Amino acid sequence: DQQVKQNSPSLSVQEGRISILNCDYTNSMFDYFLWYKKYPAEGPTFLISISSIKDKNEDGRFTVFLNKSAKHLSLHIVPSQPGDSAVYFCAASANFGNEKLTFGTGTRLTIIP
Amino acid sequence: DTGVSQDPRHKITKRGQNVTFRCDPISEHNRLYWYRQTLGQGPEFLTYFQNEAQLEKSRLLSDRFSAERPKGSFSTLEIQRTEQGDSAMYLCASSLDSGAYNEQFFGPGTRLTVL
Repeated sequence: DQQVKQNSPSLSVQEGRISILNCDYTNSMFDYFLWYKKYPAEGPTFLISISSIKDKNEDGRFTVFLNKSAKHLSLHIVPSQPGDSAVYFCAASANFGNEKLTFGTGTRLTIIP
Repeated sequence: DTGVSQDPRHKITKRGQNVTFRCDPISEHNRLYWYRQTLGQGPEFLTYFQNEAQLEKSRLLSDRFSAERPKGSFSTLEIQRTEQGDSAMYLCASSLDSGAYNEQFFGPGTRLTVL
């Protein structure tokens, strides 16, 4: 049972444009959502998070939106840069984020110069 | 560097051998997690510790797997009688339990190859 789903395995975006990565979840107990970026042969790097009491969180070029009624979140990167090329994982946790993370399968983002 | 460290970074072993991995969390972090990632998948939870207490174990963690965090600092993950299906990236993460909404920070991982 895949509780966190990233339905787009890959995404290509022109440099300078907006990248939008999507994530859906099924477990209503999830109340904390995180995005991680992963390069090959490295561990995931924390990017940005959002708790279920908010619907938007911004950090520089990165913005995460949460739609609880649709059980959907998205990560917006603007403007996209070549260094953003990586695999992006959506993750979720319950109990105010104090439990294990459940990850999606990832989206490979390629920024085209 | 004060991030999460893991050792070794790579391990190649023959089927049936035992292997042990080490994780050193960020120094003030009291929670430590182990995850496993296989090709094309996201990391999957294995187990976690609050200080030295092991609070949860996944069904993925068979009897051949054991984890310890003896003094609430570093942790070890041991796999006995390795099988080819154990080949994966083993990731360690740590977090500070500050009440709510605590990000987990990951180490570089240990890549295990079982021949």
